[in-house]
Amino acid sequence: AQSVSQHNHHVILSEAASLELGCNYSYGGTVNLFWYVQYPGQHLQLLLKYFSGDPLVKGIKGFEAEFIKSKFSFNLRKPSVQWSDTAEYFCAVTRPNFNKFYFGSGTKLNVKP
Amino acid sequence: DVKVTQSSRYLVKRTGEKVFLECVQDMDHENMFWYRQDPGLGLRLIYFSYDVKMKEKGDIPEGYSVSREKKERFSLILESASTNQTSMYLCASRSTVNYEQYFGPGTRLTVT
Repeated sequence: AQSVSQHNHHVILSEAASLELGCNYSYGGTVNLFWYVQYPGQHLQLLLKYFSGDPLVKGIKGFEAEFIKSKFSFNLRKPSVQWSDTAEYFCAVTRPNFNKFYFGSGTKLNVKP
Repeated sequence: DVKVTQSSRYLVKRTGEKVFLECVQDMDHENMFWYRQDPGLGLRLIYFSYDVKMKEKGDIPEGYSVSREKKERFSLILESASTNQTSMYLCASRSTVNYEQYFGPGTRLTVT
């Protein structure tokens, strides 16, 4: 079975610090990759996605992620975090034409003002 | 704008009760999903449906069943609620065009 690992469970940063959240997956074939964000009290929403093409993907609110196929990784980055980025972040993987999504266990980001 | 709605935000039930969680989407998506979200475990797939009356078990289907009689509605049923089913339940629908999943606000179920 496919698995998705998010190694950082809880990250605390000060405003303006740079962010990198790790995501590794286990499937060796073609994958579709996603990062979702859940702000406190809100529903999960899509931050960015990768299907093919340029491995550096830009999403909403200044986030980006890089797909490194050789490392089975899809790390999320932001150069300068804001207090409003406090949320839980989930990495997800699926395969083309496949119904199941596999989610990581999530990373809680706490940004101190 | 895609909308996925869930019938309740908070629900408290007693052990042994039959519980129905309803989910409705307004984007004519074929695929719908039920997940449970627990701290430190992320989202785990309970069941999904790829069309009306079609369903498939996810990773943790024990103690749950589902019903999809109409395309827009996907119901999760806890036949006999137990305390270990206390959790946040998330419904999602998915476009078969861009493979994105759209989530509802969740139902926080407490079984006492």
